[in-house]
Amino acid sequence: RKEVEQDPGPFNVPEGATVAFNCTYSNSASQSFFWYRQDCRKEPKLLMSVYSSGNEDGRFTAQLNRASQYISLLIRDSKLSDSATYLCVVNIRRGQNFVFGPGTRLSVLP
Amino acid sequence: DAGITQSPRHKVTETGTPVTLRCHQTENHRYMYWYRQDPGHGLRLIHYSYGVKDTDKGEVSDGYSVSRSKTEDFLLTLESATSSQTSVYFCAIGRGLETDTQYFGPGTRLTVL
Repeated sequence: RKEVEQDPGPFNVPEGATVAFNCTYSNSASQSFFWYRQDCRKEPKLLMSVYSSGNEDGRFTAQLNRASQYISLLIRDSKLSDSATYLCVVNIRRGQNFVFGPGTRLSVLP
Repeated sequence: DAGITQSPRHKVTETGTPVTLRCHQTENHRYMYWYRQDPGHGLRLIHYSYGVKDTDKGEVSDGYSVSRSKTEDFLLTLESATSSQTSVYFCAIGRGLETDTQYFGPGTRLTVL
């Protein structure tokens, strides 16, 4: 089993739709969690950290369920500019052992 | 802008030649990382550094070496490049109180013929 797994995608949704991405991780000792977005042929950019209490940043909401070892990202009111690949990242040991999921590609269609 | 640059941005080389990629940061962060990204594999850690002259191996370190003689520079060397090392290479820094948030450079696209 891979350490970090994500929905295989791609997701093709119309503008204005709500879309949810799921991520599971295998190491119960994982300490911190993140979502990154990566545009085609660009570097990954931090979208948001994920906290146990859940957190929201505008149209984006992230949830963490440690018991189920599951992370989610919800995007509301999708924009064309949200089209990208979304990477789930898990950190097992501070400063080290960052494990990236394979990514889920999102295309928002006009 | 995380103040990270990578050079060169693109390189084509031949099998068996040595290649060095440079990562430069302007913010004096202690942790720096080298990743490679390939289709179907996502980002995989090659080596990382937690200070000047302090480095350690990552998941895919075979065939790569690193050096960090100054805080701001982290070099990745392919001693004898192979076609399997054709990839996009990203450097990252670790930020935050517990260095648990990474910011990436723009990447180097390396082709080994």
